Formats: sequence, structure tokens, C-alpha cells
Amino acid sequence: DGGITQSPKYLFRKEGQNVTLSCEQNLNHDAMYWYRQDPGQGLRLIYYSQIVNDFQKGDIAEGYSVSREKKESFPLTVTSAQKNPTAFYLCASSIAQGAGELFFGEGSRLTVL
Amino acid sequence: QQQVKQSPQSLIVQKGGISIINCAYENTAFDYFPWYQQFPGKGPALLIAIRPDVSEKKEGRFTISFNKSAKQFSLHIMDSQPGDSATYFCAAISPYFGNEKLTFGTGTRLTIIP
Repeated sequence: DGGITQSPKYLFRKEGQNVTLSCEQNLNHDAMYWYRQDPGQGLRLIYYSQIVNDFQKGDIAEGYSVSREKKESFPLTVTSAQKNPTAFYLCASSIAQGAGELFFGEGSRLTVL
Repeated sequence: QQQVKQSPQSLIVQKGGISIINCAYENTAFDYFPWYQQFPGKGPALLIAIRPDVSEKKEGRFTISFNKSAKQFSLHIMDSQPGDSATYFCAAISPYFGNEKLTFGTGTRLTIIP
């Protein structure tokens, strides 16, 4: 089955630690995205990538970093510089940048202790 | 201009009733308006979408109504069922706005009660 796989589903981190969330897709999509979801705030875009080896900051990129070395993979690192990292993180892909249909993974819930 | 305003934030509807969620936008360059449905602990999934050349689109019990002059669009769920309980997001995109990414509303948590 084609889709987006995010791991881990749940992650606990101590303050001051970096953590990397994995996102893999087998849909052969060019564009990939990372969103952060907090209660009452909807979906906020962290980073997006239109093509391999290229990515752009979204609305809330501070404290996060990404890489896009392979078409299938778009990992997100939550760094210690992110002041409030506890959230639900969603990875998505679309056939191309500008497509209105995004395919989402099941999310990763990060809790900072 | 990039905002999409969604209301209400939460909605409780009795089983069999009509659920209505509203969205408004400012950017007249938006030309695709999808709705996403998200169940707890899952990622959102595309439910239904509309382009501004039509005023209504229906898929089963779900209908989008679009008012171009008022820059508003809404989701109607007829004969609402407990299985429809989820969070719904409206969104909009313009391929001509530059960075070509979806702008989401803040979401509506819908609860259908027996």
C-alpha cells in the first residue's frame, strides 16, 4: 500500500536534547511538508520541500531543521533551540508543489519532559 | 491576505442533524478549496474539494457551498452520524501566489451525539 510512514508514533525527550522524526513516502511524490499541530491552532507549516536537495522555511521554522537527500525521505530534527517543542507533528506529501491534495502520515507526538 | 478564517471552533450536533462549518478568505487568487477530516490520533485526509467556478459540490452526505462574491465557503454534513465526529479543516491554495502552499483554517471539532 502506498502512503506516508512516520516514526516514532510517540517520543519523549528531555529538555536540551535534539530529536529526529522520520518521514518516508512511497507515493513517488515530489513535494513533502512538515506541520505542527497544537490544540486550537490548526496546522502550522514548519518546512517544505519541492524537490530533492531543496527545502524552504514555512511559517514556524525556528528551532527546526530538515534534510531532503532522497525523494522518499524528509526527516525533521527538533533542536534544543525550539522553546516549546511538545506537539503533534505531521508529515505530508503531494504530487507536486502547488497541489491542493496533501497525503498525511499518522503523526508523531513529541513530549518534552 | 493569506488567512482562512474558520468557525465555529467546536460544534455539537444531534445524530441525523445537519452540521455546518464555515470558512472565509481574503485572497481572491485562491482557486482551490479543500476540506480535510481528521480523526483523533490520525493525520488529516482529504474529504471533498471545490474550485470557484461552481457554487456547490456534493459527495454523498457532504456538500461544499461556495460564495465567490462573499469570499466564503462552507461544509454541510447531512444526516450527521457518530462516525462523523472528527476535526474538520478548511483550506485554500493559489498556484499564482508565489510559494504555492495550502493555507489551513484553525479547525472545527465536530461531535455528533446520539
